[in-house]
Amino acid sequence: ELKVEQNPLFLSMQEGKNYTIYCNYSTTSDRLYWYRQDPGKSLESLFVLLSNGAVKQEGRLMASLDTKARLSTLHITAAVHDLSATYFCAVDIVIGNTPLVFGKGTRLSVIA
Amino acid sequence: EAQVTQNPRYLITVTGKKLTVTCSQNMNHEYMSWYRQDPGLGLRQIYYSMNVEVTDKGDVPEGYKVSRKEKRNFPLILESPSPNQTSLYFCASSLSSGFWREREDTQYFGPGTRLTVL
Repeated sequence: ELKVEQNPLFLSMQEGKNYTIYCNYSTTSDRLYWYRQDPGKSLESLFVLLSNGAVKQEGRLMASLDTKARLSTLHITAAVHDLSATYFCAVDIVIGNTPLVFGKGTRLSVIA
Repeated sequence: EAQVTQNPRYLITVTGKKLTVTCSQNMNHEYMSWYRQDPGLGLRQIYYSMNVEVTDKGDVPEGYKVSRKEKRNFPLILESPSPNQTSLYFCASSLSSGFWREREDTQYFGPGTRLTVL
């Protein structure tokens, strides 16, 4: 059974600081996704990571994937208030058309 | 505009009264899915469909039914809702599924349906 763990689950950080959210998963995976959810809103796709060593960047967010360690990181650089949201990683595997499994999410709050 | 739509967005109902939440996408996506989101539990997949007339159970299918008669629509049916089905429900779709899935494919989520069962 595929399990996905994120940490931390809650993160309060000051504007201008850097931090990393971690996503561990239990089974060899085909791909990993990062999503953002604002309060009361739907999920928005941020990144799709497909191979070992993959790194993608969008603004102040950078995601990476280490398939050997079964670990993905979402790094936040010089946080701003607009980044306050809940971030989810999700993992699936091709074989057997297994359901997409989400982590529990990291609620990020950026404070002045 | 490419989108996934859900209706209704909010619904309060009573135990046992059958209801349907509709989901429609205009992107010609093959894959559609339903999730429920609960505090502390994250998102859990209820059912998914890889194409028309092909559906399968996700992690928490009990108490739900789905159908996929047309490519664009994937309704979620609660035949006899109970209070433990009070939740926020999301429909999602993606271009493809399985082994032939496009490399950069990701799921697009609808706006959500907040359901309360009294």
